[in-house]
Parts: sequence; C-alpha cells; structure tokens
Amino acid sequence: DGGITQSPKYLFRKEGQNVTLSCEQNLNHDAMYWYRQDPGQGLRLIYYSQIVNDFQKGDIAEGYSVSREKKESFPLTVTSAQKNPTAFYLCASSTEVTRNTEAFFGQGTRLTVV
Amino acid sequence: SQQGEEDPQALSIQEGENATMNCSYKTSINNLQWYRQNSGRGLVHLILIRSNEREKHSGRLRVTLDTSKKSSSLLITASRAADTASYFCATGQYNAGNMLTFGGGTRLMVKP
Repeated sequence: DGGITQSPKYLFRKEGQNVTLSCEQNLNHDAMYWYRQDPGQGLRLIYYSQIVNDFQKGDIAEGYSVSREKKESFPLTVTSAQKNPTAFYLCASSTEVTRNTEAFFGQGTRLTVV
Repeated sequence: SQQGEEDPQALSIQEGENATMNCSYKTSINNLQWYRQNSGRGLVHLILIRSNEREKHSGRLRVTLDTSKKSSSLLITASRAADTASYFCATGQYNAGNMLTFGGGTRLMVKP
C-alpha cells in the first residue's frame, strides 16, 4: 500500500525531554512537511523539505528540529526549548514544486506533556 | 501566517440540505485546494482548482474560485451525516516548494 505513515499515534513527554516523531512515505514524493494543529484550529507549518538533505523553516520552527537524510523519511524532534508542545502533529508529502498536486497526510501524532 | 481564512467557522445543517463554506486568501496563488478532516485524524484531499479555473465539480462537491476577489467557495450538495467533519482550504504557491498554507477551517455538523 502506498501512503504516509506517522508513529507513534500517541506520545507523552516529560518536561525537559526531547522526543522524536516519525514520518515515512513510500509515494516517492520529493516534498515533505510538518504541521502543528492545536484544538479547534487550523494547521501551522513547522518545517518543510523539498529535497533530501535540505529543509526550510516554516512559521513556527522555534523549539523544533528536523532531518532529511532519506527521501522516504522526515523525522521531527520536539526539543525542550518548545515551551508548549502539547498538540496534534501532522506530516504530509507532495510531488515537486512545478506541479499542482495534492498533499497526502499521515494520521497524525498526538503529543502530550505530562 | 495563515493565507486562507474560512467562513463560517462552524456550520450546522440538516441532512439533505446544502452546505456552503467560503475561503479568502491574501496573496497570489497557483492553486487552491480543499481538504476534509474527521475528528482526530489526518486530512484528506477533496479537490484542487487551479488559478486559471473558475469552477470545478467532483461528485456532490462544487468549488468556485474568484481570483479578483481572492476567494473560493466549497458547496456540498444533499449533505449526509457522514459529511460531518472540518473542512480546510489551502493555497499552493510556486515559490515555496508547493508549500500549502492552510486556513482555520469550517466545522460542519450535519444532523440526521
């Protein structure tokens, strides 16, 4: 099955800890994205990557880090510098920039600080 | 920054009625897309309309785009209880990796 997979579905973090959210796609897409969604709100862009070994900050990158060592994978680390990390995190992928195509989303990871 | 803003923020209708949601945006786009999100799930793509198109249909969905007014509307005809979800518009921009910028969404409830 082709698609985009996020894991884990639920994640609990203690104060001061770093946690990493996984995102894997087998759609052969060049572009990948991380969004944050707060309750009852829209999506805000954290980071995006157009190609392997390259990524750009989105609107709310502070306290987050990413890597893109493989085309298929775009993990997001929520660092201790992110003061309010409790949210729903969505990963997405799409084909490269010159096409008007849809984004495919994973099912999300719900992160809670305990 | 949120490019798109949906209106209304919430909508409640009876099954069988039509639902109309509007989206306004601020800067030039190359396409506008509508997505659906069931509670606690990922987003699912519904329809894409290019900047040189004015109207597009897909099943019970009808999308219009007015680039002069920087606005779009999504019409769901003959709504069903299963259409209950949040609906988001997103704009795609050439100069940003086809990065999609999302609005705040319209929460639609269809009562049986």
